[in-house]
Amino acid sequence: DSGVTQTPKHLITATGQRVTLRCSPRSGDLSVYWYQQSLDQGLQFLIQYYNGEERAKGNILERFSAQQFPDLHSELNLSSLELGDSALYFCASSPGISISTGELFFGEGSRLTVL
Amino acid sequence: EDQVTQSPEALRLQEGESSSLNCSYTVSGLRGLFWYRQDPGKGPEFLFTLYSAGEEKEKERLKATLTKKESFLHITAPKPEDSATYLCAVQAVAAGNKLTFGGGTRVLVKP
Repeated sequence: DSGVTQTPKHLITATGQRVTLRCSPRSGDLSVYWYQQSLDQGLQFLIQYYNGEERAKGNILERFSAQQFPDLHSELNLSSLELGDSALYFCASSPGISISTGELFFGEGSRLTVL
Repeated sequence: EDQVTQSPEALRLQEGESSSLNCSYTVSGLRGLFWYRQDPGKGPEFLFTLYSAGEEKEKERLKATLTKKESFLHITAPKPEDSATYLCAVQAVAAGNKLTFGGGTRVLVKP
C-alpha cells in the first residue's frame, strides 16, 4: 500500500460527458502528479501540483484540468470526453517540490472507459 | 524530445533463469534514470534511481546499471513473484519534474 488513495477505481461514461477523478496523497506529501496510462501511449505525465500551486505541465489536453485543495487532495477533471480518453489515470505523490530521488508513490489508478 | 525505448516488450523466463532488460534513452542532459515495477491492476512501485554512467544499484535479485545511452535491469535467478511489468523513466535537466517513461517490459517467470 503506497498510501495514495484514488477514487473511483472504475468509471464508465459516454462520449461528451464530464468526470472528476480524486486523489488523496500520502500523509505529509505536498506534491501531487497526474499520469495517464494507455496501451498505445504508455505512461504520460499530465500535470503536477505542489501545495496548491501548479508546478509543471505535461501533455495535458485543454479539455482536462486539475486542482489541488488546501487539504492537499487533488482532482482531475476531464470534460467533453472522447473514446480516446479511455485509459488508466494515476495519481502519484512525493514529499517535496522536485523529484530529487525519482521516488514517486503511485495510487492504484482510476480506470476510465468512454463508450 | 526525450525518448525512452525498452526491450524486449515481453520476456518469459523459467524460475532461476537469469536475464536482462534494456532501457535505451535519448535526453538532452540526464538528471536521473528510474526503474519502477508495476503489477497488474496496480500503480508503479519505485525500485531504483541512477544518476551517472557507471552507477549500479541492487535490491534482492534485481541489479540496475547505467551507461551514457542505456540502462540494464538484470534479474538474477528470478522467482515467480518477480513477474511484473518493469518500467524505465528518465528525468531530463531541462524537463523539471516531468518523467518520461518507456513502454515497459512484461516479465513472466514460470515455476
